[in-house]
Amino acid sequence: QKEVEQDPGPLSVPEGAIVSLNCTYSNSAFQYFMWYRQYSRKGPELLMYTYSSGNKEDGRFTAQVDKSSKYISLFIRDSQPSDSATYLCAMGISNFGNEKLTFGTGTRLTIIP
Amino acid sequence: GAVVSQHPSWVICKSGTSVKIECRSLDFQATTMFWYRQFPKQSLMLMATSNEGSKATYEQGVEKDKFLINHASLTLSTLTVTSAHPEDSSFYICSARGQPNPSSGNTIYFGEGSWLTVV
Repeated sequence: QKEVEQDPGPLSVPEGAIVSLNCTYSNSAFQYFMWYRQYSRKGPELLMYTYSSGNKEDGRFTAQVDKSSKYISLFIRDSQPSDSATYLCAMGISNFGNEKLTFGTGTRLTIIP
Repeated sequence: GAVVSQHPSWVICKSGTSVKIECRSLDFQATTMFWYRQFPKQSLMLMATSNEGSKATYEQGVEKDKFLINHASLTLSTLTVTSAHPEDSSFYICSARGQPNPSSGNTIYFGEGSWLTVV
């Protein structure tokens, strides 16, 4: 079993719809959680990060973490064609200066105009 | 704007030569930088963790002598692919942990990536 599971998609939704992206994980030691957006042939761009369970909102994006269920989500409201990209969840552990980030496989999202 | 810069963005080199990729944190100090490799339509594969002033920690299966990593300052890490072969052609991405400005978080930011093609 992978430490982080993410549905690779592809996921296609009409413009304006709410998008829900999810990851599950097995390692309860993960301390922080991130979502990155990666456009084709570009490096990942940080969208959201959080250290605790609950919701965190930033504009059209909401990150949700449920540590008890080992489940994280990213919601995109009022989706736009420019949101079409691959979305990567990432989870990290920082232990005595040693740090490691584990990524999901990424979900390819297409917003249809 | 970008807070982690990579250079070059694209590089083509001949088989058997070496190529260096730079990763710079812009306006913040990064004691830890990470180097990844990404194949098309796949997720990021961690190659090594680079700590300023000490030897890099390589992931299992990554050849230390082939992928030389140097983290000489708090804002610069370099990856040198030595004796490059066509199978080394890939997208190489670095990331750095830090806080670019007071309003941003202390978290991990990625560079734009460097495309290496070995011919």
